[in-house]
Amino acid sequence: GAVVSQHPSRVICKSGTSVKIECRSLDFQATTMFWYRQFPKQSLMLMATSNEGSKATYEQGVEKDKFLINHASLTLSTLTVTSAHPEDSSFYICSAKRLGPDTQYFGPGTRLTVL
Amino acid sequence: AQSVSQHNHHVILSEAASLELGCNYSYGGTVNLFWYVQYPGQHLQLLLKYFSGDPLVKGIKGFEAEFIKSKFSFNLRKPSVQWSDTAEYFCAVNPDSNYQLIWGAGTKLIIKP
Repeated sequence: GAVVSQHPSRVICKSGTSVKIECRSLDFQATTMFWYRQFPKQSLMLMATSNEGSKATYEQGVEKDKFLINHASLTLSTLTVTSAHPEDSSFYICSAKRLGPDTQYFGPGTRLTVL
Repeated sequence: AQSVSQHNHHVILSEAASLELGCNYSYGGTVNLFWYVQYPGQHLQLLLKYFSGDPLVKGIKGFEAEFIKSKFSFNLRKPSVQWSDTAEYFCAVNPDSNYQLIWGAGTKLIIKP
């Protein structure tokens, strides 16, 4: 149990376009989902926390108008990178947890390359 | 500010050697503690966690960790490593009042066959 999927696993886009990444909890209800960014040879950087039905809470330095997060249901959260630029190229990872103190379960990540 | 430090960024061991990866955190209140592992080309997986109770917790694949509250530590151990343990290991702390995880920088473990 506690499987999280992400789609797509890899995406290549042109500069200036928008890209949507989906994160789904397959066998549990995720009241909270997290979006991370992982830079090469570095640890995870939390971008934002989203609770189902509420606006996401962004970490300092993360542009909320650039990284749009929607958590419309208990099994789906989406991250849209708007007007992507090459510096947005990275590995984006989501995680999901159930209500209360619980483990975060991670998705396999999405490799975004912006040309 | 709350932080998690992992003492070793890279560890290289031979098979059958014993392993201990250090993790210290800075937070005075109640915490939940986690070790996650990321095998090459795979996503993060939970290795073990501590919420309460016995401070010695056992996880998957023969790993264990001991929570020592007085030392603010949650070190990961395995008595005899295998080549398949080659991975990156992350310690994470979840302060009780906050569901976000605070991450260590990770330790890359390489096991020589």
